[in-house]
Amino acid sequence: SQTIHQWPATLVQPVGSPLSLECTVEGTSNPNLYWYRQAAGRGLQLLFYSVGIGQISSEVPQNLSASRPQDRQFILSSKKLLLSDSGFYLCAWSVPRTSPYNEQFFGPGTRLTVL
Amino acid sequence: KQEVTQIPAALSVPEGENLVLNCSFTDSAIYNLQWFRQDPGKGLTSLLLIQSSQREQTSGRLNASLDKSSGRSTLYIAASQPGDSATYLCAVSHQAGTALIFGKGTTLSVSS
Repeated sequence: SQTIHQWPATLVQPVGSPLSLECTVEGTSNPNLYWYRQAAGRGLQLLFYSVGIGQISSEVPQNLSASRPQDRQFILSSKKLLLSDSGFYLCAWSVPRTSPYNEQFFGPGTRLTVL
Repeated sequence: KQEVTQIPAALSVPEGENLVLNCSFTDSAIYNLQWFRQDPGKGLTSLLLIQSSQREQTSGRLNASLDKSSGRSTLYIAASQPGDSATYLCAVSHQAGTALIFGKGTTLSVSS
């Protein structure tokens, strides 16, 4: 069966510090991978998605970036965090585009607080 | 631009009641619709996925319907239990392998 891991589970960082959140998927190959953010009082918003190694699409311009160094690894980064980067970050995966289904499965999330 | 709305924002019911959660979307050209459950501080659990060509899907006490032409979906929960207390999120996609667009959710509280 497939599982998705995220770490760390919680993170408290000062403004201006760097960020690295990691997501890994087990039990599947060539998944589509996604980073979403859930901010207080707002719905879930897609930040990045990837259909393959090194292929990243950005949905929202911001000071965050994403990378996919391996097939089942997705990393969210920032060089300098802003207060507005606080939120709950969720990684998700789905089967490749060739499948008729697009059911997305989510990880446990990382709670980021920027002070 | 697709917008997804969920009404009500919060709902409290006694145990045993049947209930309906509503989801509406502005652009009917969707690929599929997915219902999720989110417990406080946790990730999302997929409950049901309805393809655009389908009218409904069932899993246990849950039944989700889709009326694409009117831009509406409902999640029916039968014989509610305290363990059903959570936030329920509706999301649509326009193409395989692309983003889900979420509503803000309905927070359900079932009292014993």
